[in-house]
Amino acid sequence: GQSLEQPSEVTAVEGAIVQINCTYQTSGFYGLSWYQQHDGGAPTFLSYNALDGLEETGRFSSFLSRSDSYGYLLLQELQMKDSASYFCALDTGRRALTFGSGTRLQVQP
Amino acid sequence: EAGVVQSPRYKIIEKKQPVAFWCNPISGHNTLYWYRQNLGQGPELLIRYENEEAVDDSQLPKDRFSAERLKGVDSTLKIQPAELGDSAVYLCASSLEGLNTGELFFGEGSRLTVL
Repeated sequence: GQSLEQPSEVTAVEGAIVQINCTYQTSGFYGLSWYQQHDGGAPTFLSYNALDGLEETGRFSSFLSRSDSYGYLLLQELQMKDSASYFCALDTGRRALTFGSGTRLQVQP
Repeated sequence: EAGVVQSPRYKIIEKKQPVAFWCNPISGHNTLYWYRQNLGQGPELLIRYENEEAVDDSQLPKDRFSAERLKGVDSTLKIQPAELGDSAVYLCASSLEGLNTGELFFGEGSRLTVL
């Protein structure tokens, strides 16, 4: 099976940079995705890493290291609206995603 | 373009009662997923459809859960009878041609409370 670990909560201040880590265990996978979910809302796609390295999309960047079984999501210039839960998810080739338990980000003024 | 539509948004029932959830995926998306999300946890896959065929239902509790996707478009997830532990948010998602970029499109979910 697969397992993913994320910190349960992270707190940061507006305008700062925050990194949310994700470590995983799997026998094989195609890529690592990141999703954002506001309370009561739908998970929405942020980023996908199929290869090692950094992917940048505006204020959000995601990194993957297959050799370290590790990835992270980097959020820059934090805004209050970034307060949400963030999930990493493995694409294991079953054409579905296995999600971590999520990291709740609280942005303070 | 309309997103994934789910109904009802909220449902409160007593244990042992039946309940059904409906999902309309994004037009043209042939892959449809039902996930269950418990409070404070990530979504967990229940079943995946490719068109009208259920290709992965290994995590669906088949004694009480059933699903169908008639004509390869809309889908219904049913629980009968419901148990207290079924209280969760049931999320429907869709994607085009399976998963190539790690992106699923989720609906806002149906929040079930079993009393």
